[in-house]
Amino acid sequence: KAGVTQTPRYLIKTRGQQVTLSCSPISGHRSVSWYQQTPGQGLQFLFEYFSETQRNKGNFPGRFSGRQFSNSRSEMNVSTLELGDSALYLCASSLRPSGETQYFGPGTRLLVL
Amino acid sequence: GQSLEQPSEVTAVEGAIVQMNCTYQTSGFYGLSWYQQHDGGAPTFLSYNALDGLEETGRFSSFLSRSDSYGYLLLQELQMKDSASYFCAVKGSQGNLIFGKGTKLSVKP
Repeated sequence: KAGVTQTPRYLIKTRGQQVTLSCSPISGHRSVSWYQQTPGQGLQFLFEYFSETQRNKGNFPGRFSGRQFSNSRSEMNVSTLELGDSALYLCASSLRPSGETQYFGPGTRLLVL
Repeated sequence: GQSLEQPSEVTAVEGAIVQMNCTYQTSGFYGLSWYQQHDGGAPTFLSYNALDGLEETGRFSSFLSRSDSYGYLLLQELQMKDSASYFCAVKGSQGNLIFGKGTKLSVKP
């Protein structure tokens, strides 16, 4: 089975721009969670989608949004980028919602200049 | 709220045994998970403890004491490839995983 894939792997943007990141879960997994990882804050939960519905959301501003498609692929969008949004964005899939066993993708490394 | 505490760094010698601790504070508890992340890589699931006691998977063991809100990951016969960051995680009140800041393990020859 193919693992979780994320595109793009690397991205450079400037302040004020917006960005869309994509995640394809493991086949058969319907839950996709997104995390932001930075050296200072560690792994922080952004949101989780299951069957095209957002189940829960972390403590991030409204500039961070996401969606899930009928094939379970998910996208997250960050609008009006700030320097502090530079981070590794990881998505993880699991069989069931809020699964303790999550399978992570390689991440998208975003640099905001 | 929920929080997890882990030592930031641990150094050990190849072939040795190392224990990495995790204490947690959470309003509802469903279990403790452990993940490994190599530099530049993605976190990978190692183990999950829902009940008290020791779970063993090869060279890796994970222990949980719910009464002490404490768990640890034990690595035996350390290898250089075990150098990585190790995160413990609990499920938050909304169902999402909350991760500790991680312990960076350095294995020396």
